[in-house]
Amino acid sequence: NAGVTQTPKFQVLKTGQSMTLQCAQDMNHNSMYWYRQDPGMGLRLIYYSASEGTTDKGEVPNGYNVSRLNKREFSLRLESAAPSQTSVYFCASSEGQGRSTDTQYFGPGTRLTVL
Amino acid sequence: GQQLNQSPQSMFIQEGEDVSMNCTSSSIFNTWLWYKQDPGEGPVLLIALYKAGELTSNGRLTAQFGITRKDSFLNISASIPSDVGIYFCAGSRQKLVFGQGTRLTINP
Repeated sequence: NAGVTQTPKFQVLKTGQSMTLQCAQDMNHNSMYWYRQDPGMGLRLIYYSASEGTTDKGEVPNGYNVSRLNKREFSLRLESAAPSQTSVYFCASSEGQGRSTDTQYFGPGTRLTVL
Repeated sequence: GQQLNQSPQSMFIQEGEDVSMNCTSSSIFNTWLWYKQDPGEGPVLLIALYKAGELTSNGRLTAQFGITRKDSFLNISASIPSDVGIYFCAGSRQKLVFGQGTRLTINP
């Protein structure tokens, strides 16, 4: 059981480039999430998917798009990267359908630098 | 958006000392969670609290869900070197809101 896996672990982009961050979970969880972590800011929710086929905006969705490809996979896309998107990105999953009592399990993170 | 104020921001202690940290909010939450993050890793859940007033332990860790539902506390007793890391509180109503983290450093 790998839990939540993320690729890549590290990425450097130039301003304006695009890329997709991949996330997969093998726990048969219904809900998946994307967060960004900036120094001194804690984690902030970008997008989430309460169940397969649905996605919703979180606190900081601007500049990002997501795809819930199937129950296992939830990708985050930056269409035109900006330096302000330099951050560590975490994917998480939880068993339920986005209920507040769900326990979220986190992946190891992707460290993204935009020059 | 909703804000959680976590304090202290950092702590430098001697091995064996007890540690206390807390989170406060202007909003009421239904669930309080405490996570630990090691360098280069994602946060790992330590304790989950589901009821106001609830006091829950996990080994040397004890956490409480404040009676007003606007705060929570985490205590670590008899700290050891592997306790080093960043501790995050998180409150949940519909979605999780995270505190800024408390960075714990332990001098052996």
